[in-house]
Amino acid sequence: KAGVTQTPRYLIKTRGQQVTLSCSPISGHRSVSWYQQTPGQGLQFLFEYFSETQRNKGNFPGRFSGRQFSNSRSEMNVSTLELGDSALYLCASRIANTGELFFGEGSRLTVL
Amino acid sequence: GESVGLHLPTLSVQEGDNSIINCAYSNSASDYFIWYKQESGKGPQFIIDIRSNMDKRQGQRVTVLLNKTVKHLSLQIAATQPGDSAVYFCAEDTGTASKLTFGTGTRLQVTL
Repeated sequence: KAGVTQTPRYLIKTRGQQVTLSCSPISGHRSVSWYQQTPGQGLQFLFEYFSETQRNKGNFPGRFSGRQFSNSRSEMNVSTLELGDSALYLCASRIANTGELFFGEGSRLTVL
Repeated sequence: GESVGLHLPTLSVQEGDNSIINCAYSNSASDYFIWYKQESGKGPQFIIDIRSNMDKRQGQRVTVLLNKTVKHLSLQIAATQPGDSAVYFCAEDTGTASKLTFGTGTRLQVTL
């Protein structure tokens, strides 16, 4: 069974640009969550999508947005990039309301 | 995807010994707790979870203990192996684990 797939794995952007990250959940998983991981702040929740609806949102500015498609694939977008957005962005999926989250390997974003 | 970086508390144990990793959680309303393991270059991997109506749960070589009175969680790893070397995170949530709050992590180093 394929795991959670995130693309791209690595990317470099400059301040002011925008970026879109993609996540394909495990087949059959309808919930997709996004987390940001940095050395200073650790792992922080961004948002969760379930059946194409945002079900929960963390404390991030409106520059961070996401969406989920009918096949459960999800994308997150960060606009007007800042240096502090440099991080590992992790996507996780789960079947529904069960607790176990399956994480992908992340997309490493560097903002110059 | 390196895990949380340079200044994590580190626990160093010899191969074959038992490891105990501790975590203090903050929200007295949290009723669901999870331990994750993150190896270098990978996303977090689920180890074991526990709900607040329990104080102990065992898995394969791992045991989680929950003390709600002092808001403390611990992960015990029996017969620690080199493959257990990683960063370990506790996470807490209320209800459906839709919005996990992660601890800062502990780096476990297994020496031969």
